[in-house]
Parts: sequence; C-alpha cells; structure tokens
Amino acid sequence: DGGITQSPKYLFRKEGQNVTLSCEQNLNHDAMYWYRQDPGQGLRLIYYSQIVNDFQKGDIAEGYSVSREKKESFPLTVTSAQKNPTAFYLCASSITGTFYEQYFGPGTRLTVT
Amino acid sequence: ILNVEQSPQSLHVQEGDSTNFTCSFPSSNFYALHWYRWETAKSPEALFVMTLNGDEKKKGRISATLNTKEGYSYLYIKGSQPEDSATYLCAFTRQGSKLTFGKGITLSVRP
Repeated sequence: DGGITQSPKYLFRKEGQNVTLSCEQNLNHDAMYWYRQDPGQGLRLIYYSQIVNDFQKGDIAEGYSVSREKKESFPLTVTSAQKNPTAFYLCASSITGTFYEQYFGPGTRLTVT
Repeated sequence: ILNVEQSPQSLHVQEGDSTNFTCSFPSSNFYALHWYRWETAKSPEALFVMTLNGDEKKKGRISATLNTKEGYSYLYIKGSQPEDSATYLCAFTRQGSKLTFGKGITLSVRP
C-alpha cells in the first residue's frame, strides 16, 4: 500500500532535548512538507523540500531543522531552540507544485515538559 | 502572510440536512484552491483541487465551487450523514508559492 508513515504517534521529551520526528513515503513524490498544528490555528508550514538534497524554510522554521538525503524520507528535528515545541506535527508529500493535492501522514503529537 | 478565512468555525447539523461552508482568500494572483477533509484520528485527505474561475467539482454528495475574481469557494454537503463529521480545511496558493491553510470548519452531524 502506498502512503506516508510518521513515527512515533506520541512523543514525550524533556525541555532542552532535541528530538527527531520521522516521515517516510513510498508514493514516489518529489515534494515533502512539514506542518505544525496548534489549537485554534490552521496548519502552518515549517519546512518543505521539492527535491532530494534541497529544502526551504516555511513560515515558522525557527528552532527546527530538516534533511532530505533520500527521496522517501524527510525527518524533522525539533531543537531546544524552539520556544513552544509542544504541538501536533503533520508530514505531507505531493507531486512537485501546489497544483497537486498533498497526501498526509497520521501525525506525531509531541509533548515537551 | 496570506489570510485564508473559513466560516463558520463549527457547525452542528442533523442527519439529512444539507450544509455549506465558505472559504475566503486573496483574489490577486490566484493559482489553486484545495479542500481537505480531516476525520478524527485519521490523516487529512484531499477532496478537491480547483484552479479555474467558475470551476465546480463533485464527489458523491460533496461539491465545491470557485470564484477567483471575488476570492471565495463554497463547499456543499447534500444530505449530511454522521460519517461526514470531520474538519474541512481549505488552502490557497499563488503560483510559485506554498499552500496557506485556513483554520478549518468542524462539522458534527447528529444521527
């Protein structure tokens, strides 16, 4: 079955620790995205990548880092510099270009205490 | 930052009622408008991607219209069913830009 997987579903970390969220897709999509959802807000773009070894900052990239070494994988690291890391994180992929629908993973809920 | 507004924020309807939602977006340099359905404990799924002014798309009991000149899209659900309960997201993009999502509309359909 083609799709996007994110792991883990729930993640707990202590303040000051970096944490990496996994995102894998087998849809052969070039573009991948990371979004963050907070209560009462729309999905906000953190980082996106349109091709392997290339990525761009979204609207709220501060305190986050990404890599795109393989087409299938786009891990997101939430660093200790992110002031409010507790949130729900969604990964998505698509054919390159916003003309095309995005396919979303199930999300990871990160809680930092 | 582009503003994408969705209204109402939430809606409670009875099974069998028809309902509609509005998505408003900047009308300049329009490229595409997306609608997604996000059911609880599932991933958001695309309903429609619309690009042409006057476009109308349909999927079963759900349809959407697009007015790019005035900057709005309507999503209609005919004869709502409990399984239609979900959050409906719209997202707007200009060419060469990224998707900007609205806050979503939460629909609850009572049996």
